[in-house]
Amino acid sequence: GENVEQHPSTLSVQEGDSAVIKCTYSDSASNYFPWYKQELGKRPQLIIDIRSNVGEKKDQRIAVTLNKTAKHFSLHITETQPEDSAVYFCAASSGNSGYSTLTFGKGTMLLVSP
Amino acid sequence: DARVTQTPRHKVTEMGQEVTMRCQPILGHNTVFWYRQTMMQGLELLAYFRNRAPLDDSGMPKDRFSAEMPDATLATLKIQPSEPRDSAVYFCASGLARTETYEQYFGPGTRLTVT
Repeated sequence: GENVEQHPSTLSVQEGDSAVIKCTYSDSASNYFPWYKQELGKRPQLIIDIRSNVGEKKDQRIAVTLNKTAKHFSLHITETQPEDSAVYFCAASSGNSGYSTLTFGKGTMLLVSP
Repeated sequence: DARVTQTPRHKVTEMGQEVTMRCQPILGHNTVFWYRQTMMQGLELLAYFRNRAPLDDSGMPKDRFSAEMPDATLATLKIQPSEPRDSAVYFCASGLARTETYEQYFGPGTRLTVT
């Protein structure tokens, strides 16, 4: 099955700096890569996703890049703010018989200091 | 703003007791997922339904866990008997599968503590 590795496990940055979280996956057939943000005690919330037919996607201060050859994808947050502090999870779709499930990375705790 | 709902939000029970968690997917969604979240294991898929049919429950301990969808608006996850190692946050998620890949939206979770 699919295996997703996520790094780093914790990341501390100063407000205004950029943050980058990286994930690798094992199944070359995976073709959908979402990112979720989870604040303490809350539900994971989808913040951005990318499909394998594109290499980069942006939404305001967040962007995701995908390298299918190397089987890795990254989340980039620019101009970080304290409210960006949360745990971020990457995931990759894996499946067969025409349906897919998500395999999640272990998460990155991002702390943005004012 | 349609959201997945789950009940109860918190459950404390003694070892050996039966626990039932409920999920109402977003109206119109045809897929439902059950996940378990722990510090050690992260987010693990327990079960997956499409159009109310179970498609994948390989992540679920079969001897004590069971998942069902009595109708399109209700999914249940049952643990009988519960054990302390079942303590975790259980999330339900739903999605609309029109293609092979699609967004999943999570409910608020049920925090289960088994003493």
